[in-house]
Amino acid sequence: GEEVAQTPKHLVRGEGQKAKLYCAPIKGHSYVFWYQQVLKNEFKFLISFQNENVFDETGMPKERFSAKCLPNSPCSLEIQATKLEDSAVYFCASSQSVQGNTGELFFGEGSRLTVL
Amino acid sequence: QKEVEQDPGPLSVPEGAIVSLNCTYSNSAFQYFMWYRQYSRKGPELLMYTYSSGNKEDGRFTAQVDKSSKYISLFIRDSQPSDSATYLCARESYIPTFGRGTSLIVHP
Repeated sequence: GEEVAQTPKHLVRGEGQKAKLYCAPIKGHSYVFWYQQVLKNEFKFLISFQNENVFDETGMPKERFSAKCLPNSPCSLEIQATKLEDSAVYFCASSQSVQGNTGELFFGEGSRLTVL
Repeated sequence: QKEVEQDPGPLSVPEGAIVSLNCTYSNSAFQYFMWYRQYSRKGPELLMYTYSSGNKEDGRFTAQVDKSSKYISLFIRDSQPSDSATYLCARESYIPTFGRGTSLIVHP
């Protein structure tokens, strides 16, 4: 597609429940990034993919967070056993490359996760 | 120290004012910077892309990098209510890192 599509727009979970978010990058973009934005604060990098391979996962809280980008499927970010502090907007972005002018990130509209 | 830092504001100006938005960065080796604009409940979108030092102009927007002071600025001339948004500066790298954004309100 011509834009990054994130679903769902809103997700409400009780503490301890699982949450799964999806992202379809722009067709032809090789890189996918996930960022977490808590209460309009700064963007915290979680993980990036180059095609279906993890490119960098230094931001991932590995204990409960996992992510995948499989061929011919939307990318996903899954949180097992959600906690209150996981409440945030999760943004997915895609890019053609990671340097130079083609490193522009194209963001989706975000998925707002509320943990009660 | 964070790689890129911004004052979150909010910055409130009247329509037609010249707006100056600023960021500082931590490492003088950084070369590529970007300004993104984020409207409420939307994802950020790239506004301008700058390299190293000097100015870059695009319509009412001018981006400036001062390498000696590690300072990045975005100037908006003749500001409009439609410019009301959060402006994020970012350092381009394998993992683009963002400042926390400055909220701008342009009132008619």
